[in-house]
Amino acid sequence: DAGVIQSPRHEVTEMGQEVTLRCKPISGHNSLFWYRQTMMRGLELLIYFNNNVPIDDSGMPEDRFSAKMPNASFSTLKIQPSEPRDSAVYFCASSLIKGAYGYTFGSGTRLTVV
Amino acid sequence: DQQVKQNSPSLSVQEGRISILNCDYTNSMFDYFLWYKKYPAEGPTFLISISSIKDKNEDGRFTVFLNKSAKHLSLHIVPSQPGDSAVYFCAARGNSGGSNYKLTFGKGTLLTVNP
Repeated sequence: DAGVIQSPRHEVTEMGQEVTLRCKPISGHNSLFWYRQTMMRGLELLIYFNNNVPIDDSGMPEDRFSAKMPNASFSTLKIQPSEPRDSAVYFCASSLIKGAYGYTFGSGTRLTVV
Repeated sequence: DQQVKQNSPSLSVQEGRISILNCDYTNSMFDYFLWYKKYPAEGPTFLISISSIKDKNEDGRFTVFLNKSAKHLSLHIVPSQPGDSAVYFCAARGNSGGSNYKLTFGKGTLLTVNP
């Protein structure tokens, strides 16, 4: 199993541009989570899906952020327009809803907005 | 409002000694606790967990202790090895409704094990 796959690994963009982060969860996992890591706030949950349906998006910072999961094997997190304060590492994770071992994380996307 | 707190941003220990990483939580609805380990440029990886019905769980060199009355858990690594140098995240999971499988993380503690 290739694990959770995120792309791109690094993204540098100019303020105001649209950014799309991608995630392929582990096959058979039915929950998917998007986290953001910053020095100030640590790992914070942005949104999570169960069986492709968004369950809790209370962590999404503002309307500039949106996430979709069109099928069980793909999810996107979009920021439009991007701002410098969005610079962070964004992680995607997946799990079996009753998994005892928590989540499996991807390697993350380091986003820099200049 | 941080529900999971790791008050020590960093910890340095000598190889072979014990490393103790601490974590406090405020939400009494948390019923399952996990520790994750993170190396630079990688995602966090699961290390060890404990259910709220237990007070100790051991896996090789790693032991997690849970004190529910104090809302405190700790991770002990004995003996510490240089390869253990990483950021350690404490995480907790609730037991109600749609939050069942949502993990809340602390900010992490950077452990450095010196040879």
